[in-house]
Amino acid sequence: QQQVKQSPQSLIVQKGGISIINCAYENTAFDYFPWYQQFPGKGPALLIAIRPDVSEKKEGRFTISFNKSAKQFSLHIMDSQPGDSATYFCAARVTGTASKLTFGTGTRLQVTL
Amino acid sequence: KAGVTQTPRYLIKTRGQQVTLSCSPISGHRSVSWYQQTPGQGLQFLFEYFSETQRNKGNFPGRFSGRQFSNSRSEMNVSTLELGDSALYLCASSLEGGGQSTQYFGPGTRLTVL
Repeated sequence: QQQVKQSPQSLIVQKGGISIINCAYENTAFDYFPWYQQFPGKGPALLIAIRPDVSEKKEGRFTISFNKSAKQFSLHIMDSQPGDSATYFCAARVTGTASKLTFGTGTRLQVTL
Repeated sequence: KAGVTQTPRYLIKTRGQQVTLSCSPISGHRSVSWYQQTPGQGLQFLFEYFSETQRNKGNFPGRFSGRQFSNSRSEMNVSTLELGDSALYLCASSLEGGGQSTQYFGPGTRLTVL
């Protein structure tokens, strides 16, 4: 059972454009939602995270929008740069289950010149 | 501070063999989690260790096991390897685990089973 659904699978955006990646979850017990960025040959690195009591969180060019009633959250990358080209994973965790993260399937982002 | 280190980085084994992977967490981190990453199944949680005790376990067969030492270093063992075990095995450490404790991932060990 896939508990976190992520779309699109791949995304091509022009430099300077906005990249948008969406995730939907099923388990209402999830209460921590991080986004990870992974470059080839590297492990995932935390980008930004949000809790469900906040509808939006912004850090630099990265913004998470969270819709608790719809059980959806999204990552927006403003002014996308070629260096942002990577695979992005959304994830979710239930606080009581310690460190177990449930990941989405990933979105491969390519930012073109 | 040094990041999470994993050894070896690459490993080639044949079916039926066993393998041990090692993870050294960030200094001061007590929680170590292991994940399997494959193109087909994505990132899947294997297990988490905290203070030398397994605190959480994913849906993997008993061939997958792990342990944690008193210095928080962790090892993961896979016995009777199958072709489907070929994957990138990632280790992540965090201070205490759970809550909003950030998990920091290592570069992974790429296991190929022939």
